[in-house]
Amino acid sequence: EAGVTQFPSHSVIEKGQTVTLRCDPISGHDNLYWYRRVMGKEIKFLLHFVKESKQDESGMPNNRFLAERTGGTYSTLKVQPAELEDSGVYFCASSPWDGIEGTEAFFGQGTRLTVV
Amino acid sequence: TQLLEQSPQFLSIQEGENLTVYCNSSSVFSSLQWYRQEPGEGPVLLVTVVTGGEVKKLKRLTFQFGDARKDSSLHITAAQPGDTGLYLCAGGNDYKLSFGAGTTVTVRA
Repeated sequence: EAGVTQFPSHSVIEKGQTVTLRCDPISGHDNLYWYRRVMGKEIKFLLHFVKESKQDESGMPNNRFLAERTGGTYSTLKVQPAELEDSGVYFCASSPWDGIEGTEAFFGQGTRLTVV
Repeated sequence: TQLLEQSPQFLSIQEGENLTVYCNSSSVFSSLQWYRQEPGEGPVLLVTVVTGGEVKKLKRLTFQFGDARKDSSLHITAAQPGDTGLYLCAGGNDYKLSFGAGTTVTVRA
């Protein structure tokens, strides 16, 4: 079974540019999450999709970040325009729908974003 | 903000020794999970504990959830070089995970 897949694995962009990160969750997982770790900090929650609906986006830093999950399958996270402080590793995770198992997240390898 | 504090931050031991990593919080969580992360990869789930006082064993790894569901520990017996990695605890509430900063474990051969 394929795991959570993220593209690209690395991205280096200039301040002010736009970047779109993609996540393909494990097939059949209704829950999809975005997390990120900025330098020297712990991994922090960004948002949670249930199928195509945003369940919780309380961790999104500001309106420069836009996440979508078309058709409840893959998800994209767009940063526009990127700022230096957006640099970090962005993780996507997915989990089954319900119960404690729903909180057991399977993580992708992450996208390392560097804004210069 | 729910904050999980892990200690120690770094741990270097000789192969065959035992080690314990601690995860403490002032918040109550419905579940507590331990992950291990290798460089360039995402965190990999090791175990989930949900009941206060619960103890789970996974080969040489023993995980314990505190009675009040605020803290947890990970104990590795007879550590091996393959146990080297970043160990993360994460508290779960409403499908949202709050992570600790992690403990970097190095096991020397």
